[in-house]
Amino acid sequence: EVQVVESGGGLIQPGGSLRLSCAGSGFSFSSCGMSWVRQAPGKGLEWVAVISSGGTTAYYADSVKGRFTISRDNSKNTLYLQMNSLRVEDTAVYFCAKAQPGAIAAPIDSWGQGALVTVSS
Amino acid sequence: DIVMTQSPDSLAVSLGERVTINCKSSQNILYETENHLAWYQQKPGQPPKVVITWASTRESGVPDRFSGSGSGTDFTLTIDSLQAEDVAVYYCQQYFYAPFTFGQGTRLEIK
Repeated sequence: EVQVVESGGGLIQPGGSLRLSCAGSGFSFSSCGMSWVRQAPGKGLEWVAVISSGGTTAYYADSVKGRFTISRDNSKNTLYLQMNSLRVEDTAVYFCAKAQPGAIAAPIDSWGQGALVTVSS
Repeated sequence: DIVMTQSPDSLAVSLGERVTINCKSSQNILYETENHLAWYQQKPGQPPKVVITWASTRESGVPDRFSGSGSGTDFTLTIDSLQAEDVAVYYCQQYFYAPFTFGQGTRLEIK
């Protein structure tokens, strides 16, 4: 069974840093692009970042560019999101998402349950 | 960035009736023969679930009352014979050019 499980969420003050992790299992992790998607309370889905299967290519939403870094460790089947200079408007549930195997331009086919990040003083 | 615009924002349909949700992209998302467009269903308190990929490919386990159509910039998600369990918010997403933007969502309710 394909599973992606997020961890590392919590309450953080504005300007602080936090790192989310996502453990993948039940699929060939190194063959799939991986994304982070967030959802602010009561709002729609916002795409955050994507990384290629090999980890060499990454793209970001303008709202997080320069502050967030997506990375992966294929030896550990783990995806990361390093979030720096956090703002109140970054408060959201952050979903880890697996794409279909292959190119970075592929649809998401599995989602984690999400990790809540609350940025507040 | 590619802007995805869904219509309507919300709709209420009677059980057993057909549902049509539209999604328009601000740029062509067709490459060769593949439209880079997916549909997701999100029920309250749950993560999204993929329904349709490549504009018209129904994912494994999705009931055959769900179908996707369209090409280029205009796409449609159709639910034939609405069931109570289909109540959800539906999102389209393009994965052609990063950022891989979502539509604003369409809330589907029972009339």
